[in-house]
Amino acid sequence: DAKTTQPPSMDCAEGRAANLPCNHSTISGNEYVYWYRQIHSQGPQYIIHGLKNNETNEMASLIITEDRKSSTLILPHATLRDTAVYYCIVRANSGGSNYKLTFGKGTLLTVNP
Amino acid sequence: NAGVTQTPKFRVLKTGQSMTLLCAQDMNHEYMYWYRQDPGMGLRLIHYSVGEGTTAKGEVPDGYNVSRLKKQNFLLGLESAAPSQTSVYFCATSQVAPLHFGNGTRLTVT
Repeated sequence: DAKTTQPPSMDCAEGRAANLPCNHSTISGNEYVYWYRQIHSQGPQYIIHGLKNNETNEMASLIITEDRKSSTLILPHATLRDTAVYYCIVRANSGGSNYKLTFGKGTLLTVNP
Repeated sequence: NAGVTQTPKFRVLKTGQSMTLLCAQDMNHEYMYWYRQDPGMGLRLIHYSVGEGTTAKGEVPDGYNVSRLKKQNFLLGLESAAPSQTSVYFCATSQVAPLHFGNGTRLTVT
């Protein structure tokens, strides 16, 4: 699996957009970019994933650069409840025998009032 | 995290004691995983299963055993607990993607 690099921490004001970057310069053509988050004392929660096109759902938007070497997770209107550790993971959906993901240390996003 | 239930939620063990952590899912997912999470280490995969009756080693399998006798259950066993196994343990399931996590078991080994 490709290695990812994320800043260890970021701050964001409540109500503003939070933009969380992730570098994955060694990503392969069949690897997807996944984002999860972990709110304190809870299990990780899936947010969004994409291959090469930008994606949007009710939680967030995912912007992937044309060369696919980096991506940005956007929370359009951050709230205090979005304070969490955000994990960017790159993994192939091989259709094969397992979908284990390797989690790094992520980015601690703190949303301030 | 509806669908993935971990028991117990908390446990304190003495060194050398044994215990089993249970993960139960009601989503009919084929794949199940056990992770541990330690401060500053992120999530590390212990063991996983690609279907009923199968198990495989992950990144940090030493000191743990697992069993998947029924599709809906994945058990993680500690035969002789050590203080280094103090951690938060998360179970996860998937069918294709993404992973669905339980809320964890907090284990302290004294």
